[in-house]
Amino acid sequence: AQSVTQLGSHVSVSEGALVLLRCNYSSSVPPYLFWYVQYPNQGLQLLLKYTSAATLVKGINGFEAEFKKSETSFHLTKPSAHMSDAAEYFCAVAGGTSYGKLTFGQGTILTVHP
Amino acid sequence: DAGVIQSPRHEVTEMGQEVTLRCKPISGHNSLFWYRQTMMRGLELLIYFNNNVPIDDSGMPEDRFSAKMPNASFSTLKIQPSEPRDSAVYFCASSWTPGGTDTQYFGPGTRLTVL
Repeated sequence: AQSVTQLGSHVSVSEGALVLLRCNYSSSVPPYLFWYVQYPNQGLQLLLKYTSAATLVKGINGFEAEFKKSETSFHLTKPSAHMSDAAEYFCAVAGGTSYGKLTFGQGTILTVHP
Repeated sequence: DAGVIQSPRHEVTEMGQEVTLRCKPISGHNSLFWYRQTMMRGLELLIYFNNNVPIDDSGMPEDRFSAKMPNASFSTLKIQPSEPRDSAVYFCASSWTPGGTDTQYFGPGTRLTVL
């Protein structure tokens, strides 16, 4: 079975600081990996996805993530946080024996302080 | 494109009542997913359809829950009878291709409160 672990349910940064949200996955086959963002009272929106092409994936709003197979990680970063980045972020994995199923992590709430 | 449309956005009902949630996927998408989000359990996949056929319903919590997709542009999730523990936000999502490997587009959700 595949699974995702997001380290840290809450992350707080100052505006302009580096954002780092951690995600580790477990999959018996090469995975498809995703980061979704959820703003208050809204549905989830895709930030970026990894599909076995380049290991460094660039997404919307200045976010990027690097796939590291040796570390089974897919951490999300942004060089400079903006107040509008405050939201909940979900890492997700698909593929392998659970074809058809996208498995989400528990989410990380990002707070940005002025 | 209007995106995935869900109705109602909010539903408050009493225990024992029937609840029907509705979803209109993005035109042309072949796969539709129903999720439930709670603080305790996070985001859970309940069921997904491909070309209107249910493919995986292993996440449906019990027989009180049922889902249908009579055509490519409409799906319902029904809870009968409803219980307080069903209170959650229910999301519908759609994608071009079957399975979780394609980008899923989420609706705004239906916030269900069962008293």
